[in-house]
Amino acid sequence: SSELTQDPAVSVALGQTVRITCQGDSLRYYSVTWYQQKPGQAPILVLYGENNRPSGIPDRFSGSTSGNTASLTITGAQAEDEADYYCNSRDNSGNVIFGGGTKLTVL
Amino acid sequence: QVQLQESGPVLVKPSQTLSLTCTVSIDSINGDSYYLSWIRQPAGKGLEWIGRVNTGGSTKYNPSLKSRVSISVGTLRLSSVTAADTAVYYCARLYSMRGEDWLDSWGQGTLVIVSS
Repeated sequence: SSELTQDPAVSVALGQTVRITCQGDSLRYYSVTWYQQKPGQAPILVLYGENNRPSGIPDRFSGSTSGNTASLTITGAQAEDEADYYCNSRDNSGNVIFGGGTKLTVL
Repeated sequence: QVQLQESGPVLVKPSQTLSLTCTVSIDSINGDSYYLSWIRQPAGKGLEWIGRVNTGGSTKYNPSLKSRVSISVGTLRLSSVTAADTAVYYCARLYSMRGEDWLDSWGQGTLVIVSS
C-alpha cells in the first residue's frame, strides 16, 4: 500500500499531552518523518529517523512506531504547537508519500 | 540550514507548461543521499510529492504526475496544466537513504494559479 492515514483533527488542552498518529503498511518497513506547518508558512521538519529532532525543535516532541502505526507525541503542548502536522514515508517503489495531515488545536 | 527559493510565473494558462526555478547551492544537494525535491499543496489541502533529482541528474517522479513532469537540478516543468494544478509549489532538500527519507529544508513556496 502507498497510503498513509492521519486523523483530520485533534485537540489538546494547554500543557497536556497529545498523540498524533499515522497509519500505513509502509511504516512496517520504512521510517516515518514528521513535519509541522503553520498557516501561510512552509512545513518544517520536527522529527526524522523515527525519533530524532533537528536543532531548534523542543524536546517535548517525540516519536515512536509500532507495526503499521507511527505516533508523534507532544508532551506538555504549548499554544505555539497549534499547527498542521504531516507524516511522510516511502512506498515500495521508493516514492515519497505523505499522510493527509492532522490539524492540532491547543485549547 | 540550507536556503532554497522558488520563483516563476504566478499565472499559467490551461494546457500550457508550468515552469518553476529553485535557487539552491549545488554544494548543499551534492552527495549520494541528497536530492532536490518538489512538493505542492493546493489551498486548504495536504502535501503532494511531485518528484526529485540529484546532482547527477537521476530522477524519480510521483506516478500520478509522471507523464507530465520533468525535473532537473533547479527546474520543475509540468505540462498540460489544468485548474487542478493550482497550488503552492515548494522545493526542498530531500535526504534519502536506506529506507529513510526526510525533507530537511524547504523554500518559502510559490503560488501558481492555472486560469485563462
